[in-house]
Amino acid sequence: EAGVAQSPRYKIIEKRQSVAFWCNPISGHATLYWYQQILGQGPKLLIQFQNNGVVDDSQLPKDRFSAERLKGVDSTLKIQPAKLEDSAVYLCASSLGPGQGTYEQYFGPGTRLTVT
Amino acid sequence: GESVGLHLPTLSVQEGDNSIINCAYSNSASDYFIWYKQESGKGPQFIIDIRSNMDKRQGQRVTVLLNKTVKHLSLQIAATQPGDSAVYFCAEISLYNQGGKLIFGQGTELSVKP
Repeated sequence: EAGVAQSPRYKIIEKRQSVAFWCNPISGHATLYWYQQILGQGPKLLIQFQNNGVVDDSQLPKDRFSAERLKGVDSTLKIQPAKLEDSAVYLCASSLGPGQGTYEQYFGPGTRLTVT
Repeated sequence: GESVGLHLPTLSVQEGDNSIINCAYSNSASDYFIWYKQESGKGPQFIIDIRSNMDKRQGQRVTVLLNKTVKHLSLQIAATQPGDSAVYFCAEISLYNQGGKLIFGQGTELSVKP
């Protein structure tokens, strides 16, 4: 079974520039998550999608971050404009969804963003 | 200036010894407590979980203990191997509140000396 795919794996940009990350979840997984992991910390949820609808975006800095999952499969996360403190690993995860007998989330390898 | 991450707690053990990694959690209403392993350059990988109504659960070479009185979770790794070197995170999840959001704790970096 193919895992969660993310691209790019690494990105270096200057502050105030824009960047976008892409995620392809495991086939059949209805729920998709974006996490931000700052160096030395555990992942923090930014946004959770159920199919193409947003379930939780309470910790997404909406003045600069946006995310979409238009067809309920792939998702993109965008930062515009980037700040130095956005330097982190951005992880995508997916799960079957509620009522499927398991809550388990499967994580992709992440995109390491460096803002200079 | 450049932001600096928190310094992770570290645990260094000799190959073949047992390892114990500890975690304190905050939400008494969480349904499951989970341990994840994260190797360098990879996403977190599920190791083992324990339901909130249990005290102990065993897997292959791993045991998780839950002490709800003091809100403490531990992961025991038997006969630690070099491949166990990674950062270990505990996490908690409440399935019926917060939409099943995983809340991660601070990690512990395990180093295994050959």
